[in-house]
Amino acid sequence: EAQVTQNPRYLITVTGKKLTVTCSQNMNHEYMSWYRQDPGLGLRQIYYSMNVEVTDKGDVPEGYKVSRKEKRNFPLILESPSPNQTSLYFCASSFEGVNQPQHFGDGTRLSIL
Amino acid sequence: AQKVTQAQTEISVVEKEDVTLDCVYETRDTTYYLFWYKQPPSGELVFLIRRNSFDEQNEISGRYSWNFQKSTSSFNFTITASQVVDSAVYFCALTPGRGYGNKLVFGAGTILRVKS
Repeated sequence: EAQVTQNPRYLITVTGKKLTVTCSQNMNHEYMSWYRQDPGLGLRQIYYSMNVEVTDKGDVPEGYKVSRKEKRNFPLILESPSPNQTSLYFCASSFEGVNQPQHFGDGTRLSIL
Repeated sequence: AQKVTQAQTEISVVEKEDVTLDCVYETRDTTYYLFWYKQPPSGELVFLIRRNSFDEQNEISGRYSWNFQKSTSSFNFTITASQVVDSAVYFCALTPGRGYGNKLVFGAGTILRVKS
């Protein structure tokens, strides 16, 4: 089944404790991206990747890192999480770019205390 | 810069009513793409439609229809004869069409509640 898989689905952690949210897709998509969803703000793009080893900042990259060492994986790293990063996070992918429909993961709800 | 405005934060209707969700966008690009996504209460994001800036034809898919008007920079979404299953958050989104790797900008979303 074609899908985008995020882990974990839920995480409660404390300020400053490094965490990684994994994202994997099995559709051989070149384009992958991360979004955060906050009430009243919709989805905001954090980082995106056009292909392996090619990443770029979205609109809200501060406090986040990403890497794209393999085509199927695009982990989101919070090296020193803070409470303002408490949010619902979505990973998405598409075959070639952002001008195509995005396939979204089921979301990861992060709470930073 | 790109911007998407969904002025309706929340809409409540009774089943079988028609409802229109508004989307107004801003971009300086002549080539761009517009999208609508649905987020039901279960939380996943579901693609509904894509429209490019050169195609102003309205589209109908069952009870759903979309009205794209470049003159007013709007891409409105109408649900005819709404049903309880239409209850969801609906997002409008925009990306310039210069090529790959550009940003995708979402509106704040409209919560639609359909009551039986």
